[in-house]
Amino acid sequence: ILNVEQSPQSLHVQEGDSTNFTCSFPSSNFYALHWYRWETAKSPEALFVMTLNGDEKKKGRISATLNTKEGYSYLYIKGSQPEDSATYLCAFRSNFGNEKLTFGTGTRLTIIP
Amino acid sequence: DGGITQSPKYLFRKEGQNVTLSCEQNLNHDAMYWYRQDPGQGLRLIYYSQIVNDFQKGDIAEGYSVSREKKESFPLTVTSAQKNPTAFYLCASSDVGLAGGIYNEQFFGPGTRLTVL
Repeated sequence: ILNVEQSPQSLHVQEGDSTNFTCSFPSSNFYALHWYRWETAKSPEALFVMTLNGDEKKKGRISATLNTKEGYSYLYIKGSQPEDSATYLCAFRSNFGNEKLTFGTGTRLTIIP
Repeated sequence: DGGITQSPKYLFRKEGQNVTLSCEQNLNHDAMYWYRQDPGQGLRLIYYSQIVNDFQKGDIAEGYSVSREKKESFPLTVTSAQKNPTAFYLCASSDVGLAGGIYNEQFFGPGTRLTVL
């Protein structure tokens, strides 16, 4: 079983502040790294798929970077808003069995108004 | 609207009973997946299927069974052999191969919370 870790487990951030959190994954046999946002009482929703070392993706105030050589990805949220409150999941896809995703435990983000 | 439905949202069963969780998708996806979530843990893969009439075990398949008789449907049975069945269960689907843009984004249903009494 592959080891995908996210830190911190939970985070409280004041509205308007920026924040970031980490996903660590195996640096070998990398195929893709997915980020999902999971709001309470809703389904997980795809944010980004990242595939190349050095990739940077952006969607509005949310962006992500990828370092496949050292096995980590950062998710950044600029100017946090209450609607950003959610659990953010990363999922690793390996070269072997790349039809499967291995999920991290998630970072639970709460924005304080 | 296209999407994935899971029913019921909440399910209660007595210990020792088998229970079947429903998952239906109208996204015309070939692949479907079942995950389990427990507090403090990530989503763990139970079973997945990439084509009708075929499925593979995931990381925690013991005590579960599935069928894939139709493209749209991938029911999960939690059997009495599953030692700790109380959990939140999520179903997902995706395209496969080039149809999914290679990286095969997974789309999730709303989940079923199963409580075994």
